[in-house]
Amino acid sequence: DGGITQSPKYLFRKEGQNVTLSCEQNLNHDAMYWYRQDPGQGLRLIYYSQIVNDFQKGDIAEGYSVSREKKESFPLTVTSAQKNPTAFYLCASTRGLNVPGKNQPQHFGDGTRLSIL
Amino acid sequence: KNEVEQSPQNLTAQEGEFITINCSYSVGISALHWLQQHPGGGIVSLFMLSSGKKKHGRLIATINIQEKHSSLHITASHPRDSAVYICAVRSVNTGNQFYFGTGTSLTVIP
Repeated sequence: DGGITQSPKYLFRKEGQNVTLSCEQNLNHDAMYWYRQDPGQGLRLIYYSQIVNDFQKGDIAEGYSVSREKKESFPLTVTSAQKNPTAFYLCASTRGLNVPGKNQPQHFGDGTRLSIL
Repeated sequence: KNEVEQSPQNLTAQEGEFITINCSYSVGISALHWLQQHPGGGIVSLFMLSSGKKKHGRLIATINIQEKHSSLHITASHPRDSAVYICAVRSVNTGNQFYFGTGTSLTVIP
C-alpha cells in the first residue's frame, strides 16, 4: 500500500539539541509539506517542496531546516534556534502543486510528537 | 485573521444524532477538503469539493462557492465518528497553498 511514513512517532529533545524528523512517501508524489500543529490552532506550514532539490519557506520556517535530495524523502530538522519546538508535526504530500486538471488531495503521515526534556 | 473558520469548536452528540459542522473561508479557492484526525494524530482525507455536494456512506459534504461556505454532515452518528474534523482550502491566490481551520472536536456518546 502506498502512503507516507513518519518516524519516530514520539521524540524528545534536550535544550540546545538539533533533531531530525523523517518523512518518506512511496506515492510518487512531487510535492511534500511539513506542518506544525499546536492546540487550538490550525495546521501551519513550515516548509514545502515542489520538486527534488528545491524547497520553499512556509509561514513559520524560522528555527527549522529541510532537504529534498530524493523524491521520496523530505526530512525536517528542528534546530536549537527554534525556541518553542514542542508540537505535533505532520508531513503531507500531493501529486504536485500545479498539476493541471483535477485537484489533488493531500495525503498525511501519522505525525511525530516532539517534546522538550 | 484566519483564512478558514470552523464552528463549532467542540461538539458532543448522542449516538444516532444528525451532526453538522460548518466551515467559512475568505480566500479564493480551487478546492475545499474535509479531513478527519483521530486521537493518535493521523489525518485522513474525507472529501475534496470544488462545487455541489458529495456523499460517502453516512457523511455528506456540501459547498456554496458564492457564499464561501461548506458543511459536513454526519447522519446516524456513532461513537466511532468521534474525532477532530478539519476544514482545509487550497488557495488560488498564494501558489496553491493549503489553509486549515482549527478543527471541530466531535464526541459521540453511546
